[in-house]
Amino acid sequence: DQQVKQNSPSLSVQEGRISILNCDYTNSMFDYFLWYKKYPAEGPTFLISISSIKDKNEDGRFTVFLNKSAKHLSLHIVPSQPGDSAVYFCAASARADNRKLIWGLGTSLAVNP
Amino acid sequence: EAQVTQNPRYLITVTGKKLTVTCSQNMNHEYMSWYRQDPGLGLRQIYYSMNVEVTDKGDVPEGYKVSRKEKRNFPLILESPSPNQTSLYFCASSSRDPTDTQYFGPGTRLTVL
Repeated sequence: DQQVKQNSPSLSVQEGRISILNCDYTNSMFDYFLWYKKYPAEGPTFLISISSIKDKNEDGRFTVFLNKSAKHLSLHIVPSQPGDSAVYFCAASARADNRKLIWGLGTSLAVNP
Repeated sequence: EAQVTQNPRYLITVTGKKLTVTCSQNMNHEYMSWYRQDPGLGLRQIYYSMNVEVTDKGDVPEGYKVSRKEKRNFPLILESPSPNQTSLYFCASSSRDPTDTQYFGPGTRLTVL
């Protein structure tokens, strides 16, 4: 059973608009969350993370929101650019067991010019 | 330049012919990991290593072996490859554990006929 779910396999957005990528988790022990971005023919690269002691973390155009009661996090990209077109993976960890990182299946974002 | 290198980048082989995919990092990272990426299945962890001589199974270890004799190298060994191991493989490293930023290699595309 998947503990980290990215329910939208794909998302299409117009350039300049907001992209919102969602991630749900089931394990209440998860307390650290990361987003990675992956372009075709390349390895994933780290994008942004958030600890459960926060409900928001911002880095430039990228903001991650965490709703612990709903076990939900979202990645906002504002404004979206064509270069943001990639697959985005959400991952979660329970820091009490820092050996394991649980990955979602990814959401493919297409930003159209 | 800080990087994770993998070799070969592409490999076509036949069932049963032993192969090794090398992975090397130059960042003095303690944690290293192997993933495979398959359509619709996201990133699945094969094996990981928390430090030299310390390795452990990930989610899909069957048919694979690893070793960590030196800090910088973490080879993936397929003793008797089968067609279901046709996949895109990524090696990654991070400073201590998977919740630290993981740096991924460029990937190895393996086809087993």
